[in-house]
Amino acid sequence: RKEVEQDPGPFNVPEGATVAFNCTYSNSASQSFFWYRQDCRKEPKLLMSVYSSGNEDGRFTAQLNRASQYISLLIRDSKLSDSATYLCVVTDHGSSNTGKLIFGQGTTLQVKP
Amino acid sequence: EPEVTQTPSHQVTQMGQEVILRCVPISNHLYFYWYRQILGQKVEFLVSFYNNEISEKSEIFDDQFSVERPDGSNFTLKIRSTKLEDSAMYFCASSEAFSKPHRYFGPGTRLTVL
Repeated sequence: RKEVEQDPGPFNVPEGATVAFNCTYSNSASQSFFWYRQDCRKEPKLLMSVYSSGNEDGRFTAQLNRASQYISLLIRDSKLSDSATYLCVVTDHGSSNTGKLIFGQGTTLQVKP
Repeated sequence: EPEVTQTPSHQVTQMGQEVILRCVPISNHLYFYWYRQILGQKVEFLVSFYNNEISEKSEIFDDQFSVERPDGSNFTLKIRSTKLEDSAMYFCASSEAFSKPHRYFGPGTRLTVL
């Protein structure tokens, strides 16, 4: 089983739509969770951290369900500039000492005019 | 905003040749990483580095790979004898601490092994 699993998409949505991405992780000992964004042929950039209580940053909302080992990202009122690949990222119990991030394959979003 | 820089942006080499990929992390960061991404695949961890020592390395990071901080600003990845399957985008990253979630990634070096 993959450590971090995502639906690769692509998700094609019109501007203004709400879109949700999901991610599952296999290691129940995973401690920290993030969404990164990667534009085509560019480096990953941190979008937001994900907490059990859920967190919101403008149009973006992230949720974590530890019992189900499931992470979600909701984007409201999609903009053309949201077109990118969204990477689900986790750490394991040792990562606080070594810094290792484990990436999913990413979900591609295309927002159309 | 401070940024991580990498050189070269694209490196083409013959199989069996040595390559050195260079990175300049953000100046007040002490924790450094290399990741790679084969075209169309996920970003994969190679190695983390702190205080002139490797903290963790992945199975990919075999004896052909090495890292070095030769001076106060550069962080390098050396591949001793490149293989076709080493062709990938190599990203350097740095952070304030291993426990900090924000990794600042450089723009990457695209390595093509012929």
